Amino acid sequence: DGGITQSPKYLFRKEGQNVTLSCEQNLNHDAMYWYRQDPGQGLRLIYYSQIVNDFQKGDIAEGYSVSREKKESFPLTVTSAQKNPTAFYLCASSPVQGNEKLFFGSGTQLSVL
Amino acid sequence: DQQVKQNSPSLSVQEGRISILNCDYTNSMFDYFLWYKKYPAEGPTFLISISSIKDKNEDGRFTVFLNKSAKHLSLHIVPSQPGDSAVYFCAATYGGATNKLIFGTGTLLAVQP
Repeated sequence: DGGITQSPKYLFRKEGQNVTLSCEQNLNHDAMYWYRQDPGQGLRLIYYSQIVNDFQKGDIAEGYSVSREKKESFPLTVTSAQKNPTAFYLCASSPVQGNEKLFFGSGTQLSVL
Repeated sequence: DQQVKQNSPSLSVQEGRISILNCDYTNSMFDYFLWYKKYPAEGPTFLISISSIKDKNEDGRFTVFLNKSAKHLSLHIVPSQPGDSAVYFCAATYGGATNKLIFGTGTLLAVQP
């Protein structure tokens, strides 16, 4: 079955700690995205990548970093610089830039201890 | 400045009746609109879309209407079923740019048996 796998489902971060959220897709999609969802708010774009070894900042990139070393993988690191990291994080992919239909993973809930 | 607004946080309807979910936007450059459905602890899934050159698009029980002059779109579900209970997000973009998708805050639909 093709799809997007996010892990872990739940993650806890201690103060000053960096944590990395995993996102893997086997849909052979070129573009991948990270979104953040907070209660009562819409999804906001953190970073996106249209091709391997290239990525761009979204609307709320501060305190986050990404890498795209493989087409299938787009991990997100929440750094200690992100002062309000508690949120539901969603990874998505799309076949090519210009196809507006995103395919989402099941998400990771990050909480601060 | 919220460019895509869903002013009703929740909606409750009886099974078999029509559900109408509304969405307003402010950016006149938007030319493509989408609806996503999201169950708790899962990622959103694409439901239906409409281009600005149309005013209606239908897919089974789901119909999206676009009123460009009012900058308003609505999703109609007829007949509503208990399995339709979920959060519905509308989203908008322009120029075919997936990285420019703007999401609304979502409407929680509860379909009562």
